[in-house]
This record gives sequence, structure tokens and C-alpha cells, in this order.
Amino acid sequence: SQQGEEDPQALSIQEGENATMNCSYKTSINNLQWYRQNSGRGLVHLILIRSNEREKHSGRLRVTLDTSKKSSSLLITASRAADTASYFCATDRWRDDKIIFGKGTRLHILP
Amino acid sequence: DGGITQSPKYLFRKEGQNVTLSCEQNLNHDAMYWYRQDPGQGLRLIYYSQIVNDFQKGDIAEGYSVSREKKESFPLTVTSAQKNPTAFYLCASSTSSYEQYFGPGTRLTVT
Repeated sequence: SQQGEEDPQALSIQEGENATMNCSYKTSINNLQWYRQNSGRGLVHLILIRSNEREKHSGRLRVTLDTSKKSSSLLITASRAADTASYFCATDRWRDDKIIFGKGTRLHILP
Repeated sequence: DGGITQSPKYLFRKEGQNVTLSCEQNLNHDAMYWYRQDPGQGLRLIYYSQIVNDFQKGDIAEGYSVSREKKESFPLTVTSAQKNPTAFYLCASSTSSYEQYFGPGTRLTVT
């Protein structure tokens, strides 16, 4: 069962530009998380935002959450070559023991 | 050095053989998860365990089995009943707020 859906599926930008990825989900959530996956590796946790929060920052990352629209966005500012990866949103629901991942956005930073 | 280890990194098996993938964590997390990832896709949940000696089926449990005899270990067996076992398998453990820590993955090829 797919809860989150990222948009766009793929994104190519020039190094130094900002990258924005979106995530939409279907049902009410408890938390929403963003993860990064480099090719052929495990996922790395980036940031978690709770359902009662609207915005969160971590370094060059900015995450927003709009529960009325059931959507979240991840902004990476001043992109670097090392940001090239796939980015996944994941949601969990109240009293549910698992989190559900979307299909991801493939981000490619051009030199 | 805390983290999750998965072994082996690459695994090749003949069709009809069972194979067991190892997952060990020293993060003292209660919850552990197994996911399957196919090329260009998100993660699909196979099995998860919230506590020792207890586990639940995820979305695609058919053809797989697990055990949770120790807190640190959550091995996954891919049985001959799994119709399309070739995939990238990821193990994770999580904190109480569902922030997940992933292993490096095992790429299984069945021919």
C-alpha cells in the first residue's frame, strides 16, 4: 500500500541552484519523514516533521508540511554534486507500527 | 560504532533454493523491519517486529519468513515459494518515533 507519492519522479538542476521535491499522502498522519538514498546503498534519515509542525530546518534542508492539503515539500538550498541521490518521503499513522514509503524523486545535480 | 549490518552484500542463488539474509543491529532498538526494493521503485514492507519473539506481516510477506530470537538480530529467509525473489533487500531498525536506521542492503540474484 503506497501512502506517499513524490513529485517530480526525476529532477535535474545545476549545482548551486535550489531543489524542491513534493510529497502527497492519502490519510491522516502522525509524522512525515524524508530520507536520502545514494545509488545501491541503504537509506539515510534526513528530517522528521510532526503533524502539528508546519516547517522544520536542518542545515541546507527545509521541510514544510500542510496537513490540510496532505502534502509536504523538501527544499535543498545551494545544491552540491553530493546531493545527487533519490529522496523518499515516509509517513506513519497514529497507533500504526510501520511507516510507508513513497516511490521517491531522483535528483541529479549537474556540474 | 553503532549501526546496522547486513550480510552478504551480494548473494547469488539457484531457483528453488531457500536463502537467509542476515541483519544485526547494536543500536538497542526494539523495532526492526525488512523491505524489498525493485529498480526505480520505493520500499515495500515484507515483515516487521516490535519486540523479541513477535513479528507481523507487511504488505508482501508471501514467500518470506523471519525470526526474532534476539533483540539484535532479525534474519530474513527468502523461500522457494517467492515467485520473483531477485531484488535489493534492506533491513532497518527504528526509534520509538519511527525514525529508521538502515543497513547497506543485500542484492539477491536468483537464476
